[in-house]
Parts: sequence; C-alpha cells; structure tokens
Amino acid sequence: QLQLQESGPGLVKPSETLSLTCTVSGGSISSSTYYWGWIRQPPGKGLEWIGNIYYTGNTYYNPSLKSRVTISSDASKNQVSLKLGSVTAADTAVYFCGRYNKPTGYFDYWGQGTLVTVSS
Amino acid sequence: DIQMTQSPSSVSASVGDRVTITCRASEGISSWLDWYQQKPGQAPKLLIFVASSLQSGVPSRFSGSGSGTDFTLTINSLQPEDFATYYCQQSNIFPLTFGGGTKVEIK
Repeated sequence: QLQLQESGPGLVKPSETLSLTCTVSGGSISSSTYYWGWIRQPPGKGLEWIGNIYYTGNTYYNPSLKSRVTISSDASKNQVSLKLGSVTAADTAVYFCGRYNKPTGYFDYWGQGTLVTVSS
Repeated sequence: DIQMTQSPSSVSASVGDRVTITCRASEGISSWLDWYQQKPGQAPKLLIFVASSLQSGVPSRFSGSGSGTDFTLTINSLQPEDFATYYCQQSNIFPLTFGGGTKVEIK
C-alpha cells in the first residue's frame, strides 16, 4: 500500500525558508505514470496547489508562488522536497504531498499533512 | 489560470437526502474535473475523476456529471459519514486549481 509522509519543521520565522520532505513508501517516485505534488491549506480555508514534479525532473509551479518555490526529488531516497522562500504569516498552512496520476489528472494518494506556522 | 467556482458554499441536509453541488470553470475544461471529500483533520480523499468516473472503493451513492464548464457532484441518500467538505479540481491544464469548497452540514 502506497504511503506518503510529510516531515519538517512546524515553525518557521518570517523571511526564512520553509523546507519539507515527503517520503514515499510502497511505490517508486521514478514511475512514468505519476507526478508528485505539493498542496497547502491555510487554517479554515480551501486547497491551493503549489506544484508538481515528474520523474524526469520537470517541474510545474503555481504562478502565484513560482518566484519562491522549488520542488525537487531524490530517487535514491524515494523522497520529494519542497522549499518555499521568504515566508510570511500568509504561508501558515497544512502542507500535503500527493501522488498525481498523469494520464487522467487526479491526486489519488495524499500524505496526512503537516502544519507549518510562520511566526517569530 | 482557470478559476473554479463552487456553489453553494455550504448546505444543510438530513440523512437520506439527496445533495447536489455544482462547480463551474471559467473556461472549458472538457471532462478534466475531479471531486474530493475532506473531513476535519484529514487529507482530501478522491471521489470522482474525469467528471464522472467513480474512484475504487467509493460508494455508488456518489456520482458526477458534466463537461465543458459546468459540473455536478450528487450524493444520493446522504449518510452520516458524508458530512464533510467537498472540493472540485480542474486537471485540464497547469496550474491546477481547486474550487472554494462546499461544506455539507447536518440539518
């Protein structure tokens, strides 16, 4: 059974960089069938797509975050990483990683999510 | 970016009711529309993909329809475990975008 687990600091200071890792077990991130993505949800609000990465290394980002976001992957560790720079309180959210089915376009597996709070 | 507009933002219903949620895209997305259910403190769960295909393991009381710009999620005979927030998401083109959500509450 595929499992995704987000990890990283729960508290980040304003202007610093948020760094999260998604560890995938039960499947390979090197599959050509899937993208691996990040989605976030501010407390009490809706879902916002951050970006996806393909096994080739190709990345696709939300234009609203593109200047601050980097998504990368490490096939040897079966991990996908998210870096979001110059954070503010508006970046406080639960961050989810997910597997995105490339041919038919949906997130079919999600991590449990991790809350990141931006505060001094 | 394609904007996704859901309505209503919330609905009160009773067990056994039929609930209909609509999602409108700001431009045509063919059938590239997915529906998710999210309960408090949990990750979203895929219900419907490509507008009308039921994800494996999802009860048949959930159904989706539509194409182009207008889509519908219907829950027939609402069950206690269906009280949750529902989101649509277009998968036609990057950037992926979600609707604002519809909260289904107990009447």
